[in-house]
Amino acid sequence: EVKLVESGGGLVQPGGSLRLSCATSGFTFTDYYMSWVRQPPGKALEWLGFIRNKANGYTTEYSASVKGRFTISRDNSQSILYLQMNTLRAEDSATYYCARDGVGHLYFDVWGAGTTVTVSS
Amino acid sequence: EILLTQSPAIIAASPGEKVTITCSASSSVSYMNWYQQKPGSSPKIWIYGISNLASGVPARFSGSGSGTSFSFTINSMEAEDVATYYCQQRSSYPLTFGAGTKLELK
Repeated sequence: EVKLVESGGGLVQPGGSLRLSCATSGFTFTDYYMSWVRQPPGKALEWLGFIRNKANGYTTEYSASVKGRFTISRDNSQSILYLQMNTLRAEDSATYYCARDGVGHLYFDVWGAGTTVTVSS
Repeated sequence: EILLTQSPAIIAASPGEKVTITCSASSSVSYMNWYQQKPGSSPKIWIYGISNLASGVPARFSGSGSGTSFSFTINSMEAEDVATYYCQQRSSYPLTFGAGTKLELK
């Protein structure tokens, strides 16, 4: 069974940092692009970025809203995806989902349950 | 950045009623997906590549469109279809989602 399990969310002060993890199982991790998507309470989904698979050199793409502040990385030996978030702002408060790109890298076929980040003093 | 405008934002339908949601793109899109999200749950892929139903999705759902205009249709509304539906483009970076359409039961 394919599973994605996020962790690392919590309460952080503005300007602080947090690292989210997404533990994966049930598939060959290095074959897949992996994304982070967030959703503020009651609002829409927002793609943050992804990291490509082994065949595509594990390169990354980011949305403009987080580029330079957030970094996506992966530990392929442990099949874990990471999101390092720095200089956090109140507007970064959201549920953060990791998502797997389906074959062909054209849609998100598996999602985790999400982890909640609250940025507040 | 391609902006996706969904309408309506909220729609209420009676059981058996036909439901149509539209997604308008600010630039041409070649690959459009739709996701279903129920309250308290993570999104699920529902329709991919404009018109392909994801595994397990009932045949009463369909997707169509091209260029900058896309639609999502339920032929006959059922109670289990209550959810928020999001369109999402996969044609250019950054990947973007629509604001969502909340579907309620009348």
